[in-house]
Amino acid sequence: GNSVTQMEGPVTLSEEAFLTINCTYTATGYPSLFWYVQYPGEGLQLLLKATKADDKGSNKGFEATYRKETTSFHLEKGSVQVSDSAVYFCALTGDNFNKFYFGSGTKLNVKP
Amino acid sequence: DAGVTQSPTHLIKTRGQQVTLRCSPISGHKSVSWYQQVLGQGPQFIFQYYEKEERGRGNFPDRFSARQFPNYSSELNVNALLLGDSALYLCASGSGGARETQYFGPGTRLLVL
Repeated sequence: GNSVTQMEGPVTLSEEAFLTINCTYTATGYPSLFWYVQYPGEGLQLLLKATKADDKGSNKGFEATYRKETTSFHLEKGSVQVSDSAVYFCALTGDNFNKFYFGSGTKLNVKP
Repeated sequence: DAGVTQSPTHLIKTRGQQVTLRCSPISGHKSVSWYQQVLGQGPQFIFQYYEKEERGRGNFPDRFSARQFPNYSSELNVNALLLGDSALYLCASGSGGARETQYFGPGTRLLVL
């Protein structure tokens, strides 16, 4: 079956630190992989995505590379800002009807 | 263009009551999905509708039902509410193609007392 495992949080960093949030997946076939971000009291916003092996998704300084050999899609950012504080969700979809499977989320706290 | 809209934003109900949540997808999108997000967890799939037909159902009891209208908007109904139904209910819209992005609304926060 399909599933996503994320590193547990919270992750606390100082401003301008390097960020990595680990995500691994189990899937049948060839899923698309996503990172969504959720700010307090809001819904989910698409951060980036990758649709095939070795693709790199990027947006707002965040990057993630689709690694089929390690079934991973780790999120990275070179220099985090206080405004990046949020909960980050890794997700995949691979079914015909586009059902999404989400990880449990990783809360990021960035301190000034 | 307007994003996915949901109403109401917040709702308080008591056990045993019934609730209806509403969602309007992004213009041009024909697929609507519903997810339940319990505090501290990731969203869990409830339903997907495409062209007014149910295309998928998650592991939720029959107390949960949904429908999609000719204008592609959707309603989620939950009967005989339990305390455990307290959650953020998210609606997502998409074009309906496999492996494509879904765009989420702000959610309806339901509290069952």
